Amino acid sequence: AQSVTQLGSHVSVSEGALVLLRCNYSSSVPPYLFWYVQYPNQGLQLLLKYTSAATLVKGINGFEAEFKKSETSFHLTKPSAHMSDAAEYFCAVSGMDSSYKLIFGSGTRLLVRP
Amino acid sequence: DTAVSQTPKYLVTQMGNDKSIKCEQNLGHDTMYWYKQDSKKFLKIMFSYNNKELIINETVPNRFSPKSPDKAHLNLHINSLELGDSAVYFCASSQASKGDYGYTFGSGTRLTVV
Repeated sequence: AQSVTQLGSHVSVSEGALVLLRCNYSSSVPPYLFWYVQYPNQGLQLLLKYTSAATLVKGINGFEAEFKKSETSFHLTKPSAHMSDAAEYFCAVSGMDSSYKLIFGSGTRLLVRP
Repeated sequence: DTAVSQTPKYLVTQMGNDKSIKCEQNLGHDTMYWYKQDSKKFLKIMFSYNNKELIINETVPNRFSPKSPDKAHLNLHINSLELGDSAVYFCASSQASKGDYGYTFGSGTRLTVV
């Protein structure tokens, strides 16, 4: 069975500072991993995905994530936070089984201070 | 052009009523999903259809019944609504059978049962 754990329900950074959102996964098979962002009162938007190609994945809005098998991690980073990055971020894992379902983490609320 | 559209966006109804939420995708995807997001932002899969065939039916009360008339539509009917059904319901789609597990989400339906 697959699962993801997001460390920190809230992360607060200053504008211009590094953003680091943590995600650890558990999977009995090589996983596909995803980061989604949810702005208030909106649906989820795909930021980036890891599908067993390059371990460093670049996404939209300047975000990137690195797949580290030895650490079972897929942390999301952005070098310089912008006020518009304030949102809820979800890590998700898929086991690539016939159900095609994504299992989501509990989310991390990113707050950006001016 | 909205890729995954849900209607209605807001739904306020009394306990005991029956209501439906509709979802349509124009992406040509073969798999559609319903997720429930609770007040703590936790996302849980409810149902999944692949080419009109039910492939995921999580532990959801029998009062919830999905219907997929074709692979572009997945509706959710809820009987005898209860207070605990209040949540945001998201529809999503993917081209999972072709190896693309990334979901495209609708903007959600906020259901409030009073």
